[in-house]
Amino acid sequence: DQQVKQNSPSLSVQEGRISILNCDYTNSMFDYFLWYKKYPAEGPTFLISISSIKDKNEDGRFTVFLNKSAKHLSLHIVPSQPGDSAVYFCAASESNSGYALNFGKGTSLLVTP
Amino acid sequence: EAGVAQSPRYKIIEKRQSVAFWCNPISGHATLYWYQQILGQGPKLLIQFQNNGVVDDSQLPKDRFSAERLKGVDSTLKIQPAKLEDSAVYLCASRRPGELQETQYFGPGTRLLVL
Repeated sequence: DQQVKQNSPSLSVQEGRISILNCDYTNSMFDYFLWYKKYPAEGPTFLISISSIKDKNEDGRFTVFLNKSAKHLSLHIVPSQPGDSAVYFCAASESNSGYALNFGKGTSLLVTP
Repeated sequence: EAGVAQSPRYKIIEKRQSVAFWCNPISGHATLYWYQQILGQGPKLLIQFQNNGVVDDSQLPKDRFSAERLKGVDSTLKIQPAKLEDSAVYLCASRRPGELQETQYFGPGTRLLVL
């Protein structure tokens, strides 16, 4: 049972434009949400997170938005750069379950020059 | 600080053989996780340790998988006997207590191919 869903397997964006990656979840008990970036043959690298008590968190070019009523979060990358090309995983965790992560299937982002 | 270390990076075995993976978490990280990532999927939790105790192993196929973290630092994950469907990347992650405690840091993974 997939509790975290990333419905877009791939996304292509031009350099300098905004990339928007979306994620939906079903478990209302999730209280932390994270985005990881993964290059081939490497482990996932932590990018940015947000607690359920917030609706926005920003770190440089990366912003995560959380809409709890819709059980939806999104990652915005502005401006997009070719080095951002990677697979992005959305993950959700529950503090009462030791923060074990539930991952989506990932979205492959390609930023073209 | 040094990241999460895993070895080996790659392993090829035949079905019904056994295999073991090793993980050394970031220093001071009390919580350690093993995940299995099948091609085209997101990582899936296998087992979670807090120091040397098991917190959650509900998704570990215990008839063939085992894991231990005897001294509360490094950990081993074993598969015996391996099946074709065990072909995957096995990721180890660790988490520190306190600030940003929800963030896990991952190692490079061990890519297993079962023939």
